[in-house]
Amino acid sequence: GAGVSQTPSNKVTEKGKYVELRCDPISGHTALYWYRQSLGQGPEFLIYFQGTGAADDSGLPNDRFFAVRPEGSVSTLKIQRTERGDSAVYLCASSSTGGQVDTQYFGPGTRLTVL
Amino acid sequence: QQQVKQSPQSLIVQKGGISIINCAYENTAFDYFPWYQQFPGKGPALLIAIRPDVSEKKEGRFTISFNKSAKQFSLHIMDSQPGDSATYFCAAFSPGNQFYFGTGTSLTVIP
Repeated sequence: GAGVSQTPSNKVTEKGKYVELRCDPISGHTALYWYRQSLGQGPEFLIYFQGTGAADDSGLPNDRFFAVRPEGSVSTLKIQRTERGDSAVYLCASSSTGGQVDTQYFGPGTRLTVL
Repeated sequence: QQQVKQSPQSLIVQKGGISIINCAYENTAFDYFPWYQQFPGKGPALLIAIRPDVSEKKEGRFTISFNKSAKQFSLHIMDSQPGDSATYFCAAFSPGNQFYFGTGTSLTVIP
């Protein structure tokens, strides 16, 4: 079956611009996670959705970052006034219910480059 | 502050050898410890996981050893194969529903 998909696969933008990154989770998965992976590092938690609501957004680095999941399926990560330090691979994962032993299935990521 | 410390950063092993990757943590609230495998251009994929109430879990060629008192856990890959060449991440799960990942180990298995 279809896995987690993310679009675009690559995004190049200029400092100060606004970007949106999209995640399509596995159908029926209620839990959705966003991570940021910098070069040579492990994924860093950003935000966790359970259904339509953000159950935990404590990983968002500042108020330039925002994410939505209006219908409990597709999610969009929005970054305002991008900075060069935002350059990273943004990973999305989904799981069936969000419990700790519930396997998270990761998408291939969106590589964001801020010039 | 890195919640999960992983070593080594890179590892080169001969085909058929044993690959060992180590992780350590401080937060005793962590109660689930998965290992992920990541190939270039792909997202991480769950490999094997362990709960702290057992000291070892084995799935095929992959074994997790867990030392609760030392707050350390390790991944052992037996009979390493070139196809195992990838980046491996350990992780720890907190009751707050967050996964904390290690910094990764790049494994190269030489034929």
